[in-house]
Amino acid sequence: DAGVIQSPRHEVTEMGQEVTLRCKPISGHDYLFWYRQTMMRGLELLIYFNNNVPIDDSGMPEDRFSAKMPNASFSTLKIQPSEPRDSAVYFCASSLALTRSYEQYFGPGTRLTVT
Amino acid sequence: AQSVTQLGSHVSVSEGALVLLRCNYSSSVPPYLFWYVQYPNQGLQLLLKYTSAATLVKGINGFEAEFKKSETSFHLTKPSAHMSDAAEYFCAVSFSGGYNKLIFGAGTRLAVHP
Repeated sequence: DAGVIQSPRHEVTEMGQEVTLRCKPISGHDYLFWYRQTMMRGLELLIYFNNNVPIDDSGMPEDRFSAKMPNASFSTLKIQPSEPRDSAVYFCASSLALTRSYEQYFGPGTRLTVT
Repeated sequence: AQSVTQLGSHVSVSEGALVLLRCNYSSSVPPYLFWYVQYPNQGLQLLLKYTSAATLVKGINGFEAEFKKSETSFHLTKPSAHMSDAAEYFCAVSFSGGYNKLIFGAGTRLAVHP
């Protein structure tokens, strides 16, 4: 399996622009998680989906952030408008409930820089 | 509510020395526990996991961890550090509400010097 795929790997954008991060989970996995990692705040869970349905978005910092999962093989995290404080590494992870092991598989991350 | 505390945000050891990274958890139900490793500019990779079987769990790269219920601990050890072990290590506990959610600790950065 190719693992969790994220694109782009690096994104540099100007303040006020819209940013879309993409994630393809491992085939067959029914959970998808979006995390943000910064030096100051560490690893934060933003939102997660089960069978394409958002379960908990309480970690989304504000209304500028939105996430969708239109099908089992694709999810997006959008920031509109972006701000410099959104600069971070964003990770996507997926897992399979059937195993009951809670193990999550992480993608390589997208490093976002907002200038 | 579940929580994870990793004692020491930075740990430095000499090559060949024992590695000990500490993790304490709180959970109202029998937990699943995990150690993940993050190498520079990479995602998190599972190192090992405890899922209520043997209390001593062996993982990749010579790491192991012991689940101690009485101490609510799940410390990570390796007998002899290699330079390649330099990375950030995260302890995580399963969320009792299900949903395959994990609660992560703040991480410990391990430095290995010659």
